[in-house]
Amino acid sequence: NAGVTQTPKFRVLKTGQSMTLLCAQDMNHEYMYWYRQDPGMGLRLIHYSVGEGTTAKGEVPDGYNVSRLKKQNFLLGLESAAPSQTSVYFCASSLTGTDELYGYTFGSGTRLTVV
Amino acid sequence: GNSVTQMEGPVTLSEEAFLTINCTYTATGYPSLFWYVQYPGEGLQLLLKATKADDKGSNKGFEATYRKETTSFHLEKGSVQVSDSAVYFCARSGNTPLVFGKGTRLSVIA
Repeated sequence: NAGVTQTPKFRVLKTGQSMTLLCAQDMNHEYMYWYRQDPGMGLRLIHYSVGEGTTAKGEVPDGYNVSRLKKQNFLLGLESAAPSQTSVYFCASSLTGTDELYGYTFGSGTRLTVV
Repeated sequence: GNSVTQMEGPVTLSEEAFLTINCTYTATGYPSLFWYVQYPGEGLQLLLKATKADDKGSNKGFEATYRKETTSFHLEKGSVQVSDSAVYFCARSGNTPLVFGKGTRLSVIA
């Protein structure tokens, strides 16, 4: 089925460890996004990409890096994990920046715990 | 700035009750407005949308009307079901990716 696939679904890290979250979409979407979801804070944009080879900062980019080497993949990296990065991470993609016709397509999320 | 404000939750209703979840926005120009729904353990999915003033978006019995004069996009449903239990997010477009509200958790009890 077409959609957005996130891996892994769950992960526990120790403070200072690094990891990469992978997002893959097979809808030929130009735009991809990484959000984090925290209780009482809603969804906050970390980074986004408007096309292959491009990235841009969102609302809360500190402590994260991203890469979009291939159109279908958008990677989110944590170089040195901190407990404040404990969250649920969602990847999304869209045909255009707002895509009023179909909206954003979201993955099912990655639950990350940093201890 | 550009922002979205939703009513605080959680909201608990009995089955067949009337639902309203308030959403107001600030933005320059005339954004498109959206409601997304997140069922337990899943990502968000588009519920409905409106792209210009006075438009009404509707889906699965839910409705919302784009009110420019009050900068609002309140979500309503006449008779909720247990299966509507979820978190609902209001969102607006602009010059940047979609901006989401903080979400409102709805629990419907039988």
